[in-house]
Amino acid sequence: KTQVEQSPQSLVVRQGENCVLQCNYSVTPDNHLRWFKQDTGKGLVSLTVLVDQKDKTSNGRYSATLDKDAKHSTLHITATLLDDTATYICVVGDRGSALGRLHFGAGTQLIVIP
Amino acid sequence: EAAVTQSPRNKVTVTGGNVTLSCRQTNSHNYMYWYRQDTGHGLRLIHYSYGAGNLQIGDVPDGYKATRTTQEDFFLLLELASPSQTSLYFCASSGGGGAETLYFGSGTRLTVL
Repeated sequence: KTQVEQSPQSLVVRQGENCVLQCNYSVTPDNHLRWFKQDTGKGLVSLTVLVDQKDKTSNGRYSATLDKDAKHSTLHITATLLDDTATYICVVGDRGSALGRLHFGAGTQLIVIP
Repeated sequence: EAAVTQSPRNKVTVTGGNVTLSCRQTNSHNYMYWYRQDTGHGLRLIHYSYGAGNLQIGDVPDGYKATRTTQEDFFLLLELASPSQTSLYFCASSGGGGAETLYFGSGTRLTVL
């Protein structure tokens, strides 16, 4: 059973527009949540990690929120660029130690058009 | 910048073939992981290791062996490859478990005919 659900599955936006990606999960316990960017055929690159019960992070044009009560996270991308075209993957860690497992979502494919 | 290097980049073999995927990290990380990525699924953990000589079983280990020969090198072995093992394989490393940053290699695309 999928424990990390991402929506939308795919999204097309015009360069310069903002977008929001959603991540809902049922993983318990939920120690932390990560967002990764994956360019086509490439490895995953970490964007941010959220840890607190209600957390917010910002990394340039990327900002993320986490609400552990709702088991929900969002990734906001502002003023999108063509280079933002990629798959964005939400990952939930169930422990704060190496004994924990990472639970991966299937990703949201973002396409930025001119 | 942390570096994880995988080889080969692409590999084609036949059913029953013997395949070794290699991963080297130069980050002095203790933890290394092998994942597979299939369309429509999240990454799934095959095997992982806490250090040289250590091996832990992941969530989808059937048909795979792994060996951690040094702190830097982690290998994934498919001794009797099957078409169901056609996938994109990623190696990753981290300095610790939990919320420590995870660094991924560029992946190996394996096709089993």
